[in-house]
Amino acid sequence: QVQLVQSGAEVKKPGASVKVSCKASGYTFTSYDINWVRQATGQGLEWMGWMNPNSGNTGYAQKFQGRVTMTRNTSISTAYMELSSLRSEDTAVYYCARGEYRYWGQGTLVTVSS
Amino acid sequence: DIQMTQSPSSLSASVGDRVTITCQASQDISNYLNWYQQKPGKAPKLLIYDASNLETGVPSRFSGSGSGTDFTFTISSLQPEDIATYYCQQYDNLPQTFGGGTKVEIK
Repeated sequence: QVQLVQSGAEVKKPGASVKVSCKASGYTFTSYDINWVRQATGQGLEWMGWMNPNSGNTGYAQKFQGRVTMTRNTSISTAYMELSSLRSEDTAVYYCARGEYRYWGQGTLVTVSS
Repeated sequence: DIQMTQSPSSLSASVGDRVTITCQASQDISNYLNWYQQKPGKAPKLLIYDASNLETGVPSRFSGSGSGTDFTFTISSLQPEDIATYYCQQYDNLPQTFGGGTKVEIK
């Protein structure tokens, strides 16, 4: 069965970076885009960007341009989302989702606190 | 960016009631719209794709309609397990954008 398994919760200081992983199984990793969506506590969903695991092409929301980098390692079917220059407002649960949004990771809580 | 205006932001209804949520796009998105259900502490679950197509395994009491800028999501007979927050999402243009969500509660 298709699964997306994300890395565990992180606590970071303001100004630091975080890298969240999303390991895919049960399908051909390079056949579907990976999207990243975040959700602050008690808030709505916010699309951050997408990556094509086959080509490595990416597209980011303007809000995150310059701070987010989405990469992949096809040999281990894993996608990564790195967010830099963290601030308190980046505290949220970060989700990966397969291209058509039928499958989602379980979410990774990133807490930014001094 | 395309703005997705979802209403109401919350509603309270009785078991068996018909529940309707609307989503309005700030520009034509054809039928490139998803509807999700999210329960606390869980990832969103895709219910409807391409505005009106029921995802496999989703109960038939859920439905979606609309195209262009105006969309509707309906629960034909509200069940206790439907308590959740529902979101629309457009994927016609980048950045993809979500509605603000509708929290559905039992009266």
